[in-house]
Amino acid sequence: GQNIDQPTEMTATEGAIVQINCTYQTSGFNGLFWYQQHAGEAPTFLSYNVLDGLEEKGRFSSFLSRSKGYSYLLLKELQMKDSASYLCAAMDSNYQLIWGAGTKLIIKP
Amino acid sequence: DGGITQSPKYLFRKEGQNVTLSCEQNLNHDAMYWYRQDPGQGLRLIYYSQIVNDFQKGDIAEGYSVSREKKESFPLTVTSAQKNPTAFYLCASIPSGRDTGELFFGEGSRLTVL
Repeated sequence: GQNIDQPTEMTATEGAIVQINCTYQTSGFNGLFWYQQHAGEAPTFLSYNVLDGLEEKGRFSSFLSRSKGYSYLLLKELQMKDSASYLCAAMDSNYQLIWGAGTKLIIKP
Repeated sequence: DGGITQSPKYLFRKEGQNVTLSCEQNLNHDAMYWYRQDPGQGLRLIYYSQIVNDFQKGDIAEGYSVSREKKESFPLTVTSAQKNPTAFYLCASIPSGRDTGELFFGEGSRLTVL
């Protein structure tokens, strides 16, 4: 079957760095997405990786290893507003998204 | 500005009633999706449509119905057959070129059954 695994909850300190991991198993692969979702709001797009490697976008970076079925989202210089859920989703061969349950990130001062 | 508009944002329903959630996009996207999100869970696919007048069931289609008469519109009806409809509903669309990345979301509709 198809599934996505990511930690349920993580805690980090303001100004620090945190890495949120995601492993996936899909029928075929057409890319890996990361979204940020604040409570009660719609998800907002953070990144899309389809090739192996690291993509950096400001304070956020996303890494993909297709051979390992693994991705991570790296958040630097954490701010209180980064407290949110982070959703990992893999696109399968039918271009359907398989979603993880999300990682709730708690930032402490 | 281009985007996806969902309405209403909040909706209350009595048991036994059908309700329809609206989703309109002006992004010229071919593919549109309806997801359901329950607290502490990921997104679950209800229905999706890749072209006008065609749609496919997702993982949890029972108790829901959709139509796609226009490219811009993909309304979702939550029928009385849906036994536990209280949830956060999200509409999304993606560009025609499927490898272009971002799935765009509407702001969501929160349905509560009284």
